[in-house]
Amino acid sequence: DAKTTQPPSMDCAEGRAANLPCNHSTISGNEYVYWYRQIHSQGPQYIIHGLKNNETNEMASLIITEDRKSSTLILPHATLRDTAVYYCIVIGGTSYGKLTFGQGTILTVHP
Amino acid sequence: GAVVSQHPSWVICKSGTSVKIECRSLDFQATTMFWYRQFPKQSLMLMATSNEGSKATYEQGVEKDKFLINHASLTLSTLTVTSAHPEDSSFYICSARDGRKSNQPQHFGDGTRLSIL
Repeated sequence: DAKTTQPPSMDCAEGRAANLPCNHSTISGNEYVYWYRQIHSQGPQYIIHGLKNNETNEMASLIITEDRKSSTLILPHATLRDTAVYYCIVIGGTSYGKLTFGQGTILTVHP
Repeated sequence: GAVVSQHPSWVICKSGTSVKIECRSLDFQATTMFWYRQFPKQSLMLMATSNEGSKATYEQGVEKDKFLINHASLTLSTLTVTSAHPEDSSFYICSARDGRKSNQPQHFGDGTRLSIL
């Protein structure tokens, strides 16, 4: 599976949009981009995933560049409860569903 | 939907005892379950993958005789830490997915914090 690169930490003001970037320049054609987050002392929570089109659900939006080498997770109106570690993971059909977690981005939402 | 329940959430036991952790998918059939371990200030590390009715596949460096995994039904997998020692103290997390459907995300339990005295 392709390796991902994320900034170690980011800050965001409550009520503003949080834009979390992820680089995955070695992604191949059949690999998806998944986003999870982990709030302290809890299991990871699935947020969203996509292949090449932009995706939106009740939690967030995922913007994937046309060349698929990078993506951005957007939390449109961040709240204090969105403070967590956010993981961007690329996974393809040959990995049998195995997720490899990197260090992620620590997002801190402040009042 | 897509709820995974993990039990117990917290356990303390003496060195040398065995501890069983249960992972249940409550509203979907989990053909595949995964077990992870997370040490303080570190990321999740995959320990093993289990498919319903089959033997688990362990990651390199994980002792299969120490970490016994059973996945006998489509809704339940168990991890037994045998003869636990203080170095086994960690946060154990399971996840589950319905592998019969393509590109289904894994859903995680809330984890079990294991402390061995």
